[in-house]
Parts: sequence; C-alpha cells; structure tokens
Amino acid sequence: EVQLLESGGGLVQPGGSLRLSCAASGFTFSNYAMSWVRQAPGKGLEWVSSISVSGGSTYYADSVKGRFTISRDNSKNTLYLQTNSLRAEDTAVYYCAKDPRVGLNNPEYFDYWGQGTLVTVSS
Amino acid sequence: DIVMTQSPDSLDVSLGERATINCKSSQSVLYSSNNKNYLAWYQQKPGQPPKLLIYWASTRESGVPDRFSGSGSGTDFTLTITGLQAEDVAVYYCQQYYNTPRTFGQGTKVEI
Repeated sequence: EVQLLESGGGLVQPGGSLRLSCAASGFTFSNYAMSWVRQAPGKGLEWVSSISVSGGSTYYADSVKGRFTISRDNSKNTLYLQTNSLRAEDTAVYYCAKDPRVGLNNPEYFDYWGQGTLVTVSS
Repeated sequence: DIVMTQSPDSLDVSLGERATINCKSSQSVLYSSNNKNYLAWYQQKPGQPPKLLIYWASTRESGVPDRFSGSGSGTDFTLTITGLQAEDVAVYYCQQYYNTPRTFGQGTKVEI
C-alpha cells in the first residue's frame, strides 16, 4: 500500500524557515517523480514544486522560486521541501504527491497524496 | 501560465441526479503529437487530501466508480457524476499538466 507521510510543519514567524519531509513507502520511491502541492485554509490547490526521479531536475512555482528548495534522498525514501523567508501567504497545508508514471522528469498528475502538514506563518 | 476556470463554483444536486462540472483552460491542453488531453480531475472531501478520479481527460483511475466520467478536448472539459450518491459530496478540481506550472481550477463544491 502506497503511503506518504508528511512532517515538519508548524508555527513560524515571518522570515523564518521550516524543512518539510515526506516519508514514502509501499512503492519504489526512486522510480517516481514527486511534488509538493499546497492548500491555503479554505482555498484551492496550488502546485508548489516538483522533482525528477534522480533529483537532477527541479521545478518551482514563481511564488516560491528562490525561497523554497525541493530535494529527495532515494536511499531514505524521503522527499523534502526547505522553506525559507516564509511569508503570511505561505500559510497552508502542504501535501506531497506522487506521479503515477515511472521515470518521468517532470510529474504530470498525482495519483497518491499524503495527509498533509500545516505550515502557519504568523507573528 | 495556463489558467483553469471551473463553473459553477457550487452545485446543489439531488440524490440520484446528474452533476455536471465544467473546466475551461486558457489555452489548449491537447498535445497534437499523441492526441492526448493533459487534464486530470480530483475529488476532495472535507479534511482529506485530494483523490485522483480522471486523467487524460477521460480515463477513469482504477477503483473509481463508473458514475464518474470525463469528457472534452482542447480547452473545454466536463466532469459528470451520473446518479449522485451521498458520498460524492466534495469539492472537485481540474488540473492541467500540459505546461509547467501545473495549474488547478478554483474548485467546484457539490452539495446535496
């Protein structure tokens, strides 16, 4: 059974940092591109960032480019999102999500999602 | 960026009736080389992550009931729920994967 378990969220002051993690199990993690998608309270879904199977290619939404860094450790079956210079508008539930097709550089759609981790940016 | 616009924003449907949700993209998401529409639909129930329903605009994900169907091509797409069940109360999102950034519609809330 595919499982994605996010962690690392919490309350942080504006300008602060958090490192989000997503522990994957139930599939061969190193074969699939992965992504982060967020959802502000009461709002819709916003794609944040994606990473290729090897980690060699990364993609970011303009809203987070230069502040967030996606990475993965295939030996630990874990996806990360380093979030820096956080703003109030970054407050959201952050989901990690898996692409359904083996070996893609850039995830297309998402067949499995974690339960999410809440990031709250407030003073 | 491709802007995805859903209509309506909310929908009241009686049990057993049909629900129709529209999704329009600001540019075509049909890739001519393979004749595939790069569009997916998701269902999100309160307090839960999204669940994939449909991909390639009309291919139902494994395990999704056949009362859910997707149609359309180019810039105009539809998700149809035929014979609405109580458990279908949710917000539904379309998403294009033709271009990066991947973009979602604003969501359509289906209520009974």
